[in-house]
Amino acid sequence: HLQLQESGPGLVKPSETLSLTCSVSGDSISSGDFFWGWIRQPPGKGLEWIGNVFYNGETYSNPSLKSRVTISIDRSQTQFSLHLSAVTAADTAVYYCARVRRFADYFDYWGQGTLVTASS
Amino acid sequence: QSALTQPPSASGSPGQSVTISCTGTSSDVGGYNFVSWYQQNPGKAPRLIIYEVSKWPSGVPDRFSGSKSGNTASLTVSGLQAEDEADYYCSSYAGNNEYVFGTGTKVTVL
Repeated sequence: HLQLQESGPGLVKPSETLSLTCSVSGDSISSGDFFWGWIRQPPGKGLEWIGNVFYNGETYSNPSLKSRVTISIDRSQTQFSLHLSAVTAADTAVYYCARVRRFADYFDYWGQGTLVTASS
Repeated sequence: QSALTQPPSASGSPGQSVTISCTGTSSDVGGYNFVSWYQQNPGKAPRLIIYEVSKWPSGVPDRFSGSKSGNTASLTVSGLQAEDEADYYCSSYAGNNEYVFGTGTKVTVL
């Protein structure tokens, strides 16, 4: 049974970089059938797609965040990571990692989410 | 890339049906049959309930059904139950390996 778990600091100072890791267990992270993605949800608001990474390292990001987003994958550690630079209070959100089924384009497995607050 | 438009709220009595719309453009909803729907309970991660416009993942009751016409997709919950009270989000493929979510709809069971 596939499981995803986010980890990382819950507090980041404005202008610094938010860094999160998603650990994957129960299935291979190297399948060409899936992307591995990040989605966020500000408190009381809706979901926003941040970006995806493919097993070979190819990445795709939301155009509105592209200049600040770096997503990477470590197949040996079965994990992938999100780095969001120059954070502001507007980046305060629950961050989810998820598996994305390619060619059908849906998010089928999600982590439980982790709240990251951007504040001094 | 703009969020897909959903009504903020919808409601119905137990046993009734409620339909939620999800309006996008020809670049997302209208351009691909890759619309999915998610149910989110408070403090929980979203749960996939419909994919490819109208297909059910394993374990999802067929009280949930999806459809699409032009740039608007819809989710219908039939035979409303108290446990269906939650937030619902649509999502669509938007080309170039990009995705967009809807604004979300809070469903209340009266």
